[in-house]
Amino acid sequence: NAGVTQTPKFRILKIGQSMTLQCTQDMNHNYMYWYRQDPGMGLKLIYYSVGAGITDKGEVPNGYNVSRSTTEDFPLRLELAAPSQTSVYFCASSSRTSGGYNEQFFGPGTRLTVL
Amino acid sequence: SQKIEQNSEALNIQEGKTATLTCNYTNYSPAYLQWYRQDPGRGPVFLLLIRENEKEKRKERLKVTFDTTLKQSLFHITASQPADSATYLCALAGGGSNYKLTFGKGTLLTVNP
Repeated sequence: NAGVTQTPKFRILKIGQSMTLQCTQDMNHNYMYWYRQDPGMGLKLIYYSVGAGITDKGEVPNGYNVSRSTTEDFPLRLELAAPSQTSVYFCASSSRTSGGYNEQFFGPGTRLTVL
Repeated sequence: SQKIEQNSEALNIQEGKTATLTCNYTNYSPAYLQWYRQDPGRGPVFLLLIRENEKEKRKERLKVTFDTTLKQSLFHITASQPADSATYLCALAGGGSNYKLTFGKGTLLTVNP
C-alpha cells in the first residue's frame, strides 16, 4: 500500500495563476480531508469529503474548491492564487469501523509558494 | 468558541527522562482525542487515540490520559530518546462530526543526549 500520495511536492505560483493539488489514497477510505499548515500553526481544515460525490467546507475554504468523483481521488483546486495561500498543504484519509472513527493517514504534503 | 491549547510551544528534556505534553480544550465535548507526531517536512503520523469513556491508554513507551472534567489530556513519553525529538500534535473530534479533527498548534519536543 502506498497510503496517501500527493503531487506535486513543491510548486511556485504567480499571483492570479491557478493549479490543482492531487491527492490519492489506496486504502479504500471513505473520508478524505485537505488541510493547510502555516509556520507555527496547527492544521486548518479546508475541505472534507465523506464519500464519492459528497464534499463540504471546513474552517478555511475561501479561495479553494474540491471534487470527489472516485473513492481514491480528492483534488484541491486553487483559483486565482494569492500570497495568503502560501502554505504547506496536507491531504489525509480515514475510515470508520464498528469501533468508531479511526485515525487519519496523511500524505507527505505539497509546499506552495505564491509570489 | 471552541479552543485547543497545547501549553508549551517547545519542551527540552534530557535523554532518559519522561516527557509530559499537555493539551487543554474549552467549549468542547470531544468524543475522542488523538495524538500525532510530525517530523520536519513530513505529514503527521498517528500515535494514539483515546475515547471519552477511557481514562488512560498505553502503547510501548507512550501513555495518554484524558480527563473530561479538567478538559485536559496529558501525553507522556517515558525513557525518552533523541529520536523522539519532533512536534507532537493534539487533535479533538466532536461537535456532531466525529470524523473531523481540530488540531492544536503542537509542541516541539527536543530530547538532548
